[in-house]
Amino acid sequence: DQQVKQNSPSLSVQEGRISILNCDYTNSMFDYFLWYKKYPAEGPTFLISISSIKDKNEDGRFTVFLNKSAKHLSLHIVPSQPGDSAVYFCAASGAGNNRKLIWGLGTSLAVNP
Amino acid sequence: GAGVSQSPSNKVTEKGKDVELRCDPISGHTALYWYRQSLGQGLEFLIYFQGNSAPDKSGLPSDRFSAERTGGSVSTLTIQRTQQEDSAVYLCASSLGTSGGPGTQYFGPGTRLTVL
Repeated sequence: DQQVKQNSPSLSVQEGRISILNCDYTNSMFDYFLWYKKYPAEGPTFLISISSIKDKNEDGRFTVFLNKSAKHLSLHIVPSQPGDSAVYFCAASGAGNNRKLIWGLGTSLAVNP
Repeated sequence: GAGVSQSPSNKVTEKGKDVELRCDPISGHTALYWYRQSLGQGLEFLIYFQGNSAPDKSGLPSDRFSAERTGGSVSTLTIQRTQQEDSAVYLCASSLGTSGGPGTQYFGPGTRLTVL
């Protein structure tokens, strides 16, 4: 049973526009959420995170929004650039000493020039 | 570089053979994780090491899988009697393992294992 769900396997946007990637989760015990970006033949690269005590975190062109009541988070990329084309994974972590990440299946983003 | 390294980058083996995958974490990182990504699937947690604590092996899919971490640094993931369903990219990550937040996990490039 997928505890972290990314329901859109792919997304295509025009350069300069906003990209919105969505993620839903089922486990209310998750207290940290992260977005990773992955290029082919490389390991995932950390992008941005958010604690469950916040509802927004911003870092440059990247903003993550968290709606705890809906168990939903989203990653906004503005403006989108061709170099942003990659697979984006949403991951969640529960409290405690073990910070293993539970991952979504990823969304492949294509930013077209 | 100072990133996480993994070896080999690619491994092709025959069904029934044993394989060893190696991970060199970032120096000073006390936490080390193994994940795998099968074709068309998300990343799947396998095992977690934190300092001198007993590892969390809850993600290992069968007793054919084992891992060790020597001297709190290098880790080896061993798969005995490989099966075709073991074919996947095996990813290692390390982090500072600080309390509170999960600590950013830094990933290696992965080892692509193909079992024929």
